Amino acid sequence: AQKVTQAQTEISVVEKEDVTLDCVYETRDTTYYLFWYKQPPSGELVFLIRRNSFDEQNEISGRYSWNFQKSTSSFNFTITASQVVDSAVYFCALSEAGNYGQNFVFGPGTRLSVLP
Amino acid sequence: ETGVTQTPRHLVMGMTNKKSLKCEQHLGHNAMYWYKQSAKKPLELMFVYNFKEQTENNSVPSRFSPECPNSSHLFLHLHTLQPEDSALYLCASSQEGPGIEQYFGPGTRLTVT
Repeated sequence: AQKVTQAQTEISVVEKEDVTLDCVYETRDTTYYLFWYKQPPSGELVFLIRRNSFDEQNEISGRYSWNFQKSTSSFNFTITASQVVDSAVYFCALSEAGNYGQNFVFGPGTRLSVLP
Repeated sequence: ETGVTQTPRHLVMGMTNKKSLKCEQHLGHNAMYWYKQSAKKPLELMFVYNFKEQTENNSVPSRFSPECPNSSHLFLHLHTLQPEDSALYLCASSQEGPGIEQYFGPGTRLTVT
């Protein structure tokens, strides 16, 4: 069975600090996909990144970076020089390739507060 | 309109009422989804439609009845709900296929009294 754990329920940082959000997943499939979404107070989940299990390259997009490590089943997300607009709930999600591969399992989310 | 839209944004209904939630996507996708987000549980997938056909029903009670008349529209018909059904209901869409990112609407905040 697939499972996603985000151990950090809430994190508070001061603006310009770096912050890392942890995500640990469980799956028996060899082919799977990992995602990060951001949910601002407006409620809409915003897609940030998708990674497949065969691509362990880390990725950087502006102030965002992602560290995918299959050896530890982790897909962590780092925000560099955080800003108040980064305040949101962040979700990590997993989908397995079998059975249409559309059954996303989400973690419980990490609420990030960036204080001015 | 762009992206995924949902109406109404807020809904209060009694346990004996019948109401419907509407979702529309303007992204040219052919898969649509309903999710439930409640305060104490992770986001839960309820239904999946591919090319208008339901391909996933995650043991959702029959008081929730989805309808997908075409690839752009998705409805969730509600009847005789319980207070524990109060939640944010999110619609999403994607291209059909495994591991494709889903795009979400703003949700309908439902309160059952």
